[in-house]
Amino acid sequence: RKEVEQDPGPFNVPEGATVAFNCTYSNSASQSFFWYRQDCRKEPKLLMSVYSSGNEDGRFTAQLNRASQYISLLIRDSKLSDSATYLCVVKGTNTGNQFYFGTGTSLTVIP
Amino acid sequence: ETGVTQTPRHLVMGMTNKKSLKCEQHLGHNAMYWYKQSAKKPLELMFVYNFKEQTENNSVPSRFSPECPNSSHLFLHLHTLQPEDSALYLCASSDRGAANEKLFFGSGTQLSVL
Repeated sequence: RKEVEQDPGPFNVPEGATVAFNCTYSNSASQSFFWYRQDCRKEPKLLMSVYSSGNEDGRFTAQLNRASQYISLLIRDSKLSDSATYLCVVKGTNTGNQFYFGTGTSLTVIP
Repeated sequence: ETGVTQTPRHLVMGMTNKKSLKCEQHLGHNAMYWYKQSAKKPLELMFVYNFKEQTENNSVPSRFSPECPNSSHLFLHLHTLQPEDSALYLCASSDRGAANEKLFFGSGTQLSVL
């Protein structure tokens, strides 16, 4: 079983739409959770951390459900510049302390 | 100055060549990483260095040889690579042990092996 699973998409949405991405993780003892954004042929960049209480940064809202081992990212009022691949990242337990990456979800915002 | 600088951005090499990738972090972090990203696959961890000591080697073939002279610099020496080694190679750093530890990536090296 993969450590982190994401729907690869692609998601094609019109400008102004609201879109949601989901991610599940296998290790219930995981401690930290993130969403990264990756543009084509570029490095992943941290979009936001995900906290247990949920958190918001402008048009972006992240949620964590530890009981279901599920993470989500909601993007409101999509912009053309939001087109990218969104990576769900989970940091392991103390042993190894690795970061585990999903395959990413591709988003294209259409004019 | 960007946090993690990685060179070169692009590299084309033959299977008999020897080349090196270079990474430098300016964030004061204590851990550095090499990742490989192939198309349609999640990032694969290759090596981890913590305070310049290698702490993980994820069964990487010996044709990839890492070097970490200090906690700010990391190299990946390449020799006799195969075409299937063509991928995006990413360096990253983090403040291992910090409560809010996050990964910061360099711009990556797009490697093509002919």
